[in-house]
Parts: sequence; structure tokens; C-alpha cells
Amino acid sequence: SQTIHQWPATLVQPVGSPLSLECTVEGTSNPNLYWYRQAAGRGLQLLFYSVGIGQISSEVPQNLSASRPQDRQFILSSKKLLLSDSGFYLCAWKGPPVRNEQFFGPGTRLTVL
Amino acid sequence: AQSVTQLDSHVSVSEGTPVLLRCNYSSSYSPSLFWYVQHPNKGLQLLLKYTSAATLVKGINGFEAEFKKSETSFHLTKPSAHMSDAAEYFCVVSDLFGKYIFGTGTRLKVLA
Repeated sequence: SQTIHQWPATLVQPVGSPLSLECTVEGTSNPNLYWYRQAAGRGLQLLFYSVGIGQISSEVPQNLSASRPQDRQFILSSKKLLLSDSGFYLCAWKGPPVRNEQFFGPGTRLTVL
Repeated sequence: AQSVTQLDSHVSVSEGTPVLLRCNYSSSYSPSLFWYVQHPNKGLQLLLKYTSAATLVKGINGFEAEFKKSETSFHLTKPSAHMSDAAEYFCVVSDLFGKYIFGTGTRLKVLA
């Protein structure tokens, strides 16, 4: 069966510090991968998605970036965090086109102080 | 363009009474629709999905939803609420490329 992992689970970082959040998927190959952010009191916002190694699409302009160095690894990064980057970050994967549901990881709670 | 509207930001029900969470969608083609549940500080769990098969979709934990094209609705229901159902629920429509458009969520409170 497929599983998706995210770490860390929680993170408190000062403004201006770098960020690296990791997401890995097991039990599937060539998944579509997604990064979402859920800010307090708001819905989920798609940040990045990837259909393959090295292929990243950005949905909104911001100071975050994403990379996919391996088929089942998706990394969200920032060089300098802003207060507005605080939120709950969710990674998700999707399998073959015939199955179009996405499966979500447990999330990372990021607080920028 | 596609969109989804969750009509209630908060719903309160008593334990053992029915649950109705409302969702309306807009789509220029036959949509794929989903309901997810999110417990505090957890990821999203898929409750059920509609992908142009049966219009009445049964999901996990006793939830079901009915796709009504004439009303452009996909409301989530459960006959009897349980305390463990207290959570936030998201209605989602998927575009042709598999990208999700989320509703703003409905927070369900279950009263003892």
C-alpha cells in the first residue's frame, strides 16, 4: 500500500531563516506531487505541483521554491522566511490519471516568529 | 473555469442527529468531485468521490453524497452524527488536469 511522509511535523523558525520541508511517498512510482499551504482561517492554497523528476510548476508567486530530486521526494524550501509564511503545509500525491484523487500527508505546522 | 462553494462555514448538530454539509459547484464539463475531512492538525482524509458513475456515492464512516447535476450540488450527509465526526470538511472539484479547487471548508461541531 502507499504511504506519504512529511517532516518535520512542527517547526518554529525566526524571520529571515531558511526552510526545508520534505515529503516522500512509498509504494507508488511516478506520482504527481503537490505542496499546499493552509493559513489560519483560510482554505488550502496550491503552491507547487510536479509531474516528474525536476519538473516543477508554481501556482503563486512567493519566496518559496520546490524541488523534486527523486521520483518520490518533494522538497519545499525558502532562503529567507517571512512572517506570512506561517501555516500548515500539506504534501499530496496522485496516481495514474484513471484514479484522480489525491492523498495527503500528515502536514507540517510552521510558525515563523 | 471551475469553482466550488461551501454554503456554511460552521454547522452544529447534536449527537445522533443527521448531518448535512452543503456544496455547490460550477464546471463547464462533467466534474470529478470529492469530500475530504480534516481533524485538527492532521492531513486530509478522503471521505468519498464522484467520477460520473453512480450519482449516490457512499463513503467511509457512514457518509454519503448525492451528485445532482440539475442543482449543481454535491451535499454530504450522514444519518446519525457521532462525536468523532467533529472536524473540518472540504468539498473539492478537480479540473481536467487533476488539479484541485477547494471549497473554503465547513467546520462541524457535534454536541453531546
